[in-house]
Amino acid sequence: DAKTTQPPSMDCAEGRAANLPCNHSTISGNEYVYWYRQIHSQGPQYIIHGLKNNETNEMASLIITEDRKSSTLILPHATLRDTAVYYCIVRVGTKTQGGSEKLVFGKGTKLTVNP
Amino acid sequence: DGGITQSPKYLFRKEGQNVTLSCEQNLNHDAMYWYRQDPGQGLRLIYYSQIVNDFQKGDIAEGYSVSREKKESFPLTVTSAQKNPTAFYLCASSIRGASSDTQYFGPGTRLTVL
Repeated sequence: DAKTTQPPSMDCAEGRAANLPCNHSTISGNEYVYWYRQIHSQGPQYIIHGLKNNETNEMASLIITEDRKSSTLILPHATLRDTAVYYCIVRVGTKTQGGSEKLVFGKGTKLTVNP
Repeated sequence: DGGITQSPKYLFRKEGQNVTLSCEQNLNHDAMYWYRQDPGQGLRLIYYSQIVNDFQKGDIAEGYSVSREKKESFPLTVTSAQKNPTAFYLCASSIRGASSDTQYFGPGTRLTVL
């Protein structure tokens, strides 16, 4: 079962920031937060991940609350091509830390970017 | 150009026939995975392999078989024993032992059994 809760859908205007929330209230200290997205009929695309600190890359920013029970993925300037289902996943980083080999995808958030 | 390739993108088979889905990666990753996705659902793990000549069952391995004879290749066979094989099949790979073990996915194969 997925250990995260996300809103089923969100809308965003093109050019504006898209802020996608995720709750993971049962996250453990050695579990990472991963974000993937899936455009219809394509494989999931890795976006970003983090453990405690906020992270930024060329695609997005990840803001993790201090208690680590929730996070927000930020797409700073959404485009029509960002329309996709966004998945928030928590998992242990490595097998030696008791990590699971599988990614557990929930239902995700369907983000629609409108012109 | 590094990445994961899956072929074909669309595959049609008659009921009762075995079919093999291809997955190749040139990322030099040790670990490879097969997932299945049904409409409106998340991914479910079928099989995974952390090293050549070794693989483990995932959550829904019944009716499927795999082989890992080469590091780059992890083909999945959907057998006639799989009761509901029509689905979107996704292959992924990751660096074994990396601190974050990110999985990267191929483009997928959509299998339709008629």
